[in-house]
Amino acid sequence: AQKVTQAQTEISVVEKEDVTLDCVYETRDTTYYLFWYKQPPSGELVFLIRRNSFDEQNEISGRYSWNFQKSTSSFNFTITASQVVDSAVYFCALSGLIQGAQKLVFGQGTRLTINP
Amino acid sequence: DSGVTQTPKHLITATGQRVTLRCSPRSGDLSVYWYQQSLDQGLQFLIQYYNGEERAKGNILERFSAQQFPDLHSELNLSSLELGDSALYFCASSHDGRSNQPQHFGDGTRLSIL
Repeated sequence: AQKVTQAQTEISVVEKEDVTLDCVYETRDTTYYLFWYKQPPSGELVFLIRRNSFDEQNEISGRYSWNFQKSTSSFNFTITASQVVDSAVYFCALSGLIQGAQKLVFGQGTRLTINP
Repeated sequence: DSGVTQTPKHLITATGQRVTLRCSPRSGDLSVYWYQQSLDQGLQFLIQYYNGEERAKGNILERFSAQQFPDLHSELNLSSLELGDSALYFCASSHDGRSNQPQHFGDGTRLSIL
């Protein structure tokens, strides 16, 4: 079965601290895709990154970085020098074959609060 | 701005009623997805359409139905509404519905059942 676990329900840090959001996934597919989405207080879902199962290179985009480790089935997300605007709920998601069709399975989300 | 448009933004209605949520995908996207986000269930996939045809079904209740029209916009119909149907309903789109493509989400329709 396809499953995504974000064990951290809520994280609260002070501005400028680094913070890592954990994501662990389960799949039997050999080819799959992982995603991170951000849901700010305004409610929309914003796509952040996609990673395929063949590419284990870490990726950095400004203050954001992603660490994909196939050996531990993890796809963690780190925000460096956090800012108040980073406050949001962050979702990790897995795209795979479920019941014969390609579907996106989301984790439960991690609510990140950055305090000034 | 994701390019996906959902209307209305908010909807308040009563139990037993029927509502229709509308979604216009990003220009060029052929596949549309519907999701329900509630506090207890999280983000749940409901249904996917590709170029007018149903492609995949998730945890969609029989009281709910959807369709995608020739102009590629989609509608989600919710009938015999219950209190538990109160949620944020998202529409998303992708180019051709393959798993390697990110889905781009609209701002959602917040449905409140009184």
